[in-house]
Amino acid sequence: AQRVTQPEKLLSVFKGAPVELKCNYSYSGSPELFWYVQYSRQRLQLLLRHISRESIKGFTADLNKGETSFHLKKPFAQEEDSAMYYCALSGVQGAQKLVFGQGTRLTINP
Amino acid sequence: KAGVTQTPRYLIKTRGQQVTLSCSPISGHRSVSWYQQTPGQGLQFLFEYFSETQRNKGNFPGRFSGRQFSNSRSEMNVSTLELGDSALYLCASSLEGGPETQYFGPGTRLLVL
Repeated sequence: AQRVTQPEKLLSVFKGAPVELKCNYSYSGSPELFWYVQYSRQRLQLLLRHISRESIKGFTADLNKGETSFHLKKPFAQEEDSAMYYCALSGVQGAQKLVFGQGTRLTINP
Repeated sequence: KAGVTQTPRYLIKTRGQQVTLSCSPISGHRSVSWYQQTPGQGLQFLFEYFSETQRNKGNFPGRFSGRQFSNSRSEMNVSTLELGDSALYLCASSLEGGPETQYFGPGTRLLVL
């Protein structure tokens, strides 16, 4: 069965501090992993995907197949990073059937 | 380019009634997916339509159904509403179905009394 676990419902850090949002997954095949973000009063939007290996808004995420993890990291948090973050898995390439984690609410304190 | 639109934005129904929600995808997008978001279960995939055909389906009872029209607009229907169907229903569209090109709508908030 496909499962995505985000162990922290809430995460609070100070501006300028490093941020790490944890994501662990369970999937027997080769998954595609994504991070989605929802800012206050905005729509859910794709932040980054593991295949592209990009840095978006200073965030990076590395797929660790051995630990079945896809943690989201940013070295220096900014206040505008405050949002709800969802980790998601797609088990079939090109399929839009995403399995989402429960989400982590990130708050950046000034 | 206009984004994904969903109507209505808010809806109040009573148990036993049925409801139809509508989603208009971004122009040119052929895939539409539906998700249910609740505080307890989070975001759960309902189904995906591509070129008027259901291509993927989540683990929801048969009371939940959908369809897609030739212009890619999609509707989802929930019959015999239950209290637990109260949720935010999100629609997402993409060009061919890949999550990397997927854009979400604002959602329809359904309250079942």
